[in-house]
Amino acid sequence: GESVGLHLPTLSVQEGDNSIINCAYSNSASDYFIWYKQESGKGPQFIIDIRSNMDKRQGQRVTVLLNKTVKHLSLQIAATQPGDSAVYFCAETLGGGGNKLTFGTGTQLKVEL
Amino acid sequence: GAVVSQHPSRVICKSGTSVKIECRSLDFQATTMFWYRQFPKQSLMLMATSNEGSKATYEQGVEKDKFLINHASLTLSTLTVTSAHPEDSSFYICSAREGTGYTFGSGTRLTVV
Repeated sequence: GESVGLHLPTLSVQEGDNSIINCAYSNSASDYFIWYKQESGKGPQFIIDIRSNMDKRQGQRVTVLLNKTVKHLSLQIAATQPGDSAVYFCAETLGGGGNKLTFGTGTQLKVEL
Repeated sequence: GAVVSQHPSRVICKSGTSVKIECRSLDFQATTMFWYRQFPKQSLMLMATSNEGSKATYEQGVEKDKFLINHASLTLSTLTVTSAHPEDSSFYICSAREGTGYTFGSGTRLTVV
């Protein structure tokens, strides 16, 4: 989750389809993970979080899966809508939250009508 | 919910001048605030952690004399970019810690000409 590149990976989906966005995090000791949505020119917006004692958490139209064995997070968005178009970042931290966050590279989600 | 107000949203300054960015927690007290920088199509990179009443902790590679952080009250942290140069042009974002959660400001687009 620490790599920074010049090109954001892009995921294009049709409206109404499900989207799966993946993230590899870097620190095996991280115990709190958050998914953020960032629209152009705005700050990150909280979507859903998960602690390391869980492997799945569901919200409204979103599900986060955590695989600690391979240090992998995924965000599933059901029935993707045009308003879901944005850049999505995973973030990790230690100590259960409140400490500094490390952001992943990010994925640009484009929803096609 | 918790709200963080960040000002200005956009600023253009001449090379060599200084620019101050404010980050305010509007309805909660934030003992800790974080400052990030984000270049186009890249992730958020933590610059420093600001604790009320004490010196900020800077990440490796961030010049503390160039990026001055002041956190004089529980609701206000400021980032001053001193002697700004075109390479400092970026999107600066603050985040305030509330318990184990984080609330982000809307960001400041700095353009140095």
